[in-house]
Amino acid sequence: KAGVTQTPRYLIKTRGQQVTLSCSPISGHRSVSWYQQTPGQGLQFLFEYFSETQRNKGNFPGRFSGRQFSNSRSEMNVSTLELGDSALYLCASSLPGERANVLTFGAGSRLTVL
Amino acid sequence: SQQGEEDPQALSIQEGENATMNCSYKTSINNLQWYRQNSGRGLVHLILIRSNEREKHSGRLRVTLDTSKKSSSLLITASRAADTASYFCATMDTGRRALTFGSGTRLQVQP
Repeated sequence: KAGVTQTPRYLIKTRGQQVTLSCSPISGHRSVSWYQQTPGQGLQFLFEYFSETQRNKGNFPGRFSGRQFSNSRSEMNVSTLELGDSALYLCASSLPGERANVLTFGAGSRLTVL
Repeated sequence: SQQGEEDPQALSIQEGENATMNCSYKTSINNLQWYRQNSGRGLVHLILIRSNEREKHSGRLRVTLDTSKKSSSLLITASRAADTASYFCATMDTGRRALTFGSGTRLQVQP
């Protein structure tokens, strides 16, 4: 069973650019969550999608957005990149029901903003 | 913002020793989980303990939960070099569908 796949694994952008990150969840997992990890702030929740609907959102500015497609794949977009957006972006998926609390993470997309 | 703090921030032990990490949180929770992260990679779920449970075991892992003190501990017994990683506690708040992670403990197991 394939795990959570995130692409690209590494990318470098410059300030002001925008970036799109992709996440393919485990087959059968309909919930996809995104987290940002930085040395200073640690792991912070960005948003969660289920059946193409955003169900929950963290405390991030509107430059951070996401969406989920009918096949449960998800993308997140960051516009007008700032130096502070440099981070490891982690996607996680989960089953519905009792196991909804347990997340399976991808390896992450490491974004460097210059 | 992070739910709580973990201590110690870093821990270095010899192979075969036990490692204990502590986590404190701030709000009412449905459950508490522990995850492991190897250097800059994704997180791996280790164990989940529900708010009505006090202790749980899984292999070499033992987790305790004290909801009155809003704290949890993770014990790894007979540690191995492969246990070297960062360990995070995470809580699911009672009104929210998002995990809130602690600051993590970096464990180094010397062979």
